[in-house]
Amino acid sequence: EVQLVQSGAEVKEPGESLRISCKGSGYSFTSYWISWVRQMPGKGLEWMGRIDPSDSRTTYSPSFQGHVTFSADKSTTTAYLQWSSLKTSDTAMYFCASVNFDYWGQGTLVTVSS
Amino acid sequence: EIVLTQSPGTLSLSPGEIATLSCRASQSVSSGYVAWYQQKPGQAPRLLIHDAASRATGIPDRFSGSGSGTDFTLTISRLEPEDFAVYYCQQYGPSPWTFGQGTKVEIK
Repeated sequence: EVQLVQSGAEVKEPGESLRISCKGSGYSFTSYWISWVRQMPGKGLEWMGRIDPSDSRTTYSPSFQGHVTFSADKSTTTAYLQWSSLKTSDTAMYFCASVNFDYWGQGTLVTVSS
Repeated sequence: EIVLTQSPGTLSLSPGEIATLSCRASQSVSSGYVAWYQQKPGQAPRLLIHDAASRATGIPDRFSGSGSGTDFTLTISRLEPEDFAVYYCQQYGPSPWTFGQGTKVEIK
């Protein structure tokens, strides 16, 4: 069974760093890109970018370039989304998706508030 | 960047009726690389249609997609109670991939 399991909800203060995870199982992890998708409260879906787990090559949406970093660890079949300095506007649900968007993680709620 | 505009914003229909959702792209989407998703409150999106007209695994045949170029349509032939949700289109042609703003299908 294909599964993408994301790490739990986070509450952070502005300026803090954060890394959330997405662990894939039940499929060939290195054969499919993993995309990250943001959904701000009450809003629509935004594609942030993708990573190729086979070689960690990344593509970022211009809207997110420079503010987030994608990484992947083939040995643990886990992808990561990282911020070095969070803003209150980063408060959102974050989803990972793979196998051509046929499978999605359950989402990680990130709340940034002082 | 390709901008996707979905219409209408909200569709009020009764179970058993036909739902027709539109997605218009600001420029042609190569090879019909358009997908449709359903999202219910508190859940992750669910892939319904890929490549403009191909149903994803396990999707009922009341869901169908069509279109090419800049105009794409999702049709739900007979609305079931579980179909009331928000629907998004997405293009995965040129990067950055983009989503439409969504159409809410609500019970009339």
